[in-house]
Amino acid sequence: RKEVEQDPGPFNVPEGATVAFNCTYSNSASQSFFWYRQDCRKEPKLLMSVYSSGNEDGRFTAQLNRASQYISLLIRDSKLSDSATYLCVASGTYKYIFGTGTRLKVLA
Amino acid sequence: GAGVSQTPSNKVTEKGKYVELRCDPISGHTALYWYRQSLGQGPEFLIYFQGTGAADDSGLPNDRFFAVRPEGSVSTLKIQRTERGDSAVYLCASSLTKGDGYTFGSGTRLTVV
Repeated sequence: RKEVEQDPGPFNVPEGATVAFNCTYSNSASQSFFWYRQDCRKEPKLLMSVYSSGNEDGRFTAQLNRASQYISLLIRDSKLSDSATYLCVASGTYKYIFGTGTRLKVLA
Repeated sequence: GAGVSQTPSNKVTEKGKYVELRCDPISGHTALYWYRQSLGQGPEFLIYFQGTGAADDSGLPNDRFFAVRPEGSVSTLKIQRTERGDSAVYLCASSLTKGDGYTFGSGTRLTVV
């Protein structure tokens, strides 16, 4: 079983839709959590950190549930430019454990 | 520099050859990491440097892989006797110190033929 698990998708959604991705992690000692975005043949880029209190950045909302060891990302009002792979990360003090990523394609 | 720089961006080598991949981190970043990303997978941890020393090399797959950071800045990942299974994108990241957020370089795409 992978330490961080994500549904690989692809998720094909129309522009303007709301889409949610989920991720589970197995190491209860994980301290920090992130969502990264990766475009085709590019490096991962930090989208947002994830906190138990939940955090929002524009159309993006991330949530952490430590009891269930579950991380989520909600994207509202999807844009064509949101098409990418979204990587979930659980981290100890320095080592990032990535999920396999969830592919999102936003359709016109 | 402004970002993490990796060279070469692409490398094609024959099975059995030796390769070196270079990473130039953000100036002042003491922590440096190497990851490997295979097609359809997330990046996998290889090694972490704090300053000049390899603080954690537990992700290196076998003794054909070695990395150095002699002056605490530029790092080189060295792969001996390359195999076709080594083909992947090798990503370098740096952070100001341990525990801070990473900035990734654009990676080196290694193809072993």
